[in-house]
Amino acid sequence: EDQVTQSPEALRLQEGESSSLNCSYTVSGLRGLFWYRQDPGKGPEFLFTLYSAGEEKEKERLKATLTKKESFLHITAPKPEDSATYLCAVQVPSNTGKLIFGQGTTLQVKP
Amino acid sequence: DAGITQSPRYKITETGRQVTLMCHQTWSHSYMFWYRQDLGHGLRLIYYSAAADITDKGEVPDGYVVSRSKTENFPLTLESATRSQTSVYFCATERTGDQPQHFGDGTRLSIL
Repeated sequence: EDQVTQSPEALRLQEGESSSLNCSYTVSGLRGLFWYRQDPGKGPEFLFTLYSAGEEKEKERLKATLTKKESFLHITAPKPEDSATYLCAVQVPSNTGKLIFGQGTTLQVKP
Repeated sequence: DAGITQSPRYKITETGRQVTLMCHQTWSHSYMFWYRQDLGHGLRLIYYSAAADITDKGEVPDGYVVSRSKTENFPLTLESATRSQTSVYFCATERTGDQPQHFGDGTRLSIL
């Protein structure tokens, strides 16, 4: 069964304290892995897509990496405005466009 | 440029009632999706549609009905609401089947 697991469930950081979020996946085949950010009361907002092992994407203080079994979202010198829930999702090869989501990591960055 | 509009944003209803959640997109994306988000379960796919008049079940379809007569609209109906359907519902669209999905801001549904 295709499965996506994110850890930790919650993470508290001090402003400037770098860390990483993990997304492990077990799927029959990987078409793409997606990272989203979700703020309270809002829908998920797209951040990155990764397609193959070894690929990396960066945006401001965020960097996403991908291996054959997991992806990491590295947060460098976070600021309070980075506080949000970060969701990971995988897409398996099909023509349906369906995503399988992990349960998310809720990040709180304290000033 | 509204993108995706979900309505209503908040809804309170009683068990046994029928309720319809609306999703409208301005992009003409082929694919549309309905998810529910619950604590401890993350986002779970209810139904999806690859084009007008083409719909299929997702992970948790029981108790829900969808239709898609026009590309831009994808309503979700709870035919006889139950308390277990209390949740936040998100609609999403995607252009080709292999691109990132774009989400609306959700409908918070409470069933008493």
